[in-house]
Amino acid sequence: GESVGLHLPTLSVQEGDNSIINCAYSNSASDYFIWYKQESGKGPQFIIDIRSNMDKRQGQRVTVLLNKTVKHLSLQIAATQPGDSAVYFCAEREDQGAQKLVFGQGTRLTINP
Amino acid sequence: GAGVSQSPSNKVTEKGKDVELRCDPISGHTALYWYRQSLGQGLEFLIYFQGNSAPDKSGLPSDRFSAERTGGSVSTLTIQRTQQEDSAVYLCASSLGLHQETQYFGPGTRLLVL
Repeated sequence: GESVGLHLPTLSVQEGDNSIINCAYSNSASDYFIWYKQESGKGPQFIIDIRSNMDKRQGQRVTVLLNKTVKHLSLQIAATQPGDSAVYFCAEREDQGAQKLVFGQGTRLTINP
Repeated sequence: GAGVSQSPSNKVTEKGKDVELRCDPISGHTALYWYRQSLGQGLEFLIYFQGNSAPDKSGLPSDRFSAERTGGSVSTLTIQRTQQEDSAVYLCASSLGLHQETQYFGPGTRLLVL
């Protein structure tokens, strides 16, 4: 499959462990954040999103935490499975008037059996 | 269809040729976005449509790039006089519309300019 990025930060975890993927964003005015999962050769797949008036949101096996003080976003994946191996991107919307998303570099998550 | 579709899935062209990339958004989605993903880089915004109009074209890298959307549905991204640096994956996304932020992506078109 196609490599999304050759020099991405990488995270390796054991199957069944929890993983935390971190993202620093740049614009303190950003009002919306989103996490995507991208498997090799595929388009980004929506995982979870959060607005800036929240600091935590939970989904199925995933939690997103937002710390606006330090402009930090994290994605927690519980009980990781082999299918969680992918590149994970955070993205921000820099203001409500703009619709475009600004993407981070991405983190490659590898699940070890 | 159930999701965003793009065609072709792969395109190989010679430097200097024009290419057209097509995006079919999710039915009922009024907003449509084009991004580019180069090897070793994240996604880069190109252009956004709300209905048939493009309020934000700020990401188009040069005047060789253009896009249109007709009937509030299908969009075409055209690259004229392609250059090798245009080689990338071109991704389309759609969302329900203004204030409905979640963007859903298609599988992308992999463009290789020789």
